[in-house]
This record gives sequence, structure tokens and C-alpha cells, in this order.
Amino acid sequence: AQKVTQAQTEISVVEKEDVTLDCVYETRDTTYYLFWYKQPPSGELVFLIRRNSFDEQNEISGRYSWNFQKSTSSFNFTITASQVVDSAVYFCALSEFSRISSGSARQLTFGSGTQLTVLP
Amino acid sequence: DVKVTQSSRYLVKRTGEKVFLECVQDMDHENMFWYRQDPGLGLRLIYFSYDVKMKEKGDIPEGYSVSREKKERFSLILESASTNQTSMYLCASKQGGGHTEAFFGQGTRLTVV
Repeated sequence: AQKVTQAQTEISVVEKEDVTLDCVYETRDTTYYLFWYKQPPSGELVFLIRRNSFDEQNEISGRYSWNFQKSTSSFNFTITASQVVDSAVYFCALSEFSRISSGSARQLTFGSGTQLTVLP
Repeated sequence: DVKVTQSSRYLVKRTGEKVFLECVQDMDHENMFWYRQDPGLGLRLIYFSYDVKMKEKGDIPEGYSVSREKKERFSLILESASTNQTSMYLCASKQGGGHTEAFFGQGTRLTVV
């Protein structure tokens, strides 16, 4: 079973529409972190947000908002009033305490990504 | 500005060639990673390094090796390139300790013919 599932492979919306990207994760750890990254056509992943497992408060940053629900193991991402520049692949990722290997590196497990296209 | 730089954006290599992908970071990060990105599969970890000369296998290490002789540089090596290694390769680095975010390079699109 996948640890991070992004069921939406591709989403297409018209500019100014709201869009929600879904992320469902699976872990046995009580302490973990969730991330969202954006990958524009240029290729470089850009960090958007980190949320720890003890903080279920929703977060808003400008047109972006995140809804973290431990009860459903979901960490969904909403873009309000979408713009063409939001077109990108969005990845959800999980960092688990139990995956600590040598040193202090903690690996990120990524979902398969959602391609968002915002049409003008 | 933090920076992770990969030496090439695009590479075309022949089957059987030895291929080096280079990655340099200027943030003095302890940890560096190589991922492979394929459609529908997301990013999969190939190898990572938590210190100079230290390395650990990720989820898909077969057919790859790595080298970290200096803290800022992490190289991915394909000993004998095969067509199934055609992919986008992403390098990342992160500060040691804690669940900090990783910083990514712009990616290298490798085609093996």
C-alpha cells in the first residue's frame, strides 16, 4: 500500500476557480510531518508548507490553505481564486520518525503528484 | 538564497555508458539525496548521504551508486546506463536533525538510447 496517495492525477480548472488537491497518508508513527511541494514547469520543487502531527490547526497563506485531519489521515491543499501561474505539479510528502536511518537524515516519502492546469 | 545546482538540465547517453550526475549545494547541509521522478510514480529515493563519505540506499538503489567526497557535492553514478534508467533525476539537500524541508535542484532529464 502506498504511504502517500494523491488520487487526482490531473486537474484542470478555469482561472479564478477554487481547487482542492487531495492527499491521504498512511503511517503507524504518532510523530510525523507532512509537506506540500510545488513543481512548476522549470522542474525545481518548491517547498510550500510543513505540518507536524500534533498540530491540526488549518493554515492559510494568501490564496493557499491547508486542511489537516488526523481522523481521516488527510492533508488537503486548497487554492482559492486560482491563477495561471498556479499551473504545476503538486506533491504531498510524509516524513516519519521511524524511518530514521544513520545520522539524522529523515527521508521524505512522496505521493505520485497532481498535475494542476489553470486555464485563462 | 539557498541553492542546489545540478550540472546538467538534459543529458543523452548511450546504453552501457558510465554516467555521472553532479549536484552541489551551498547551504552547508549535512544531508543530500538523489531522487528519480517518473510519471505516475512520484519521486522515489535512490540514495542519500548524511555526511561526507557516508551513504545509504534508498528505495530503488539497483543500478546506481553515489559518491560524496566533499560536503557540498553529491554525485550519482550509473555504472552501465540502461534504457530503463531514462528519467528525471532530482537532487536535494536538507539540514541535519529535525523534520526540516528539503531544497531541490532543477533536475536532470536523462535519456538513455
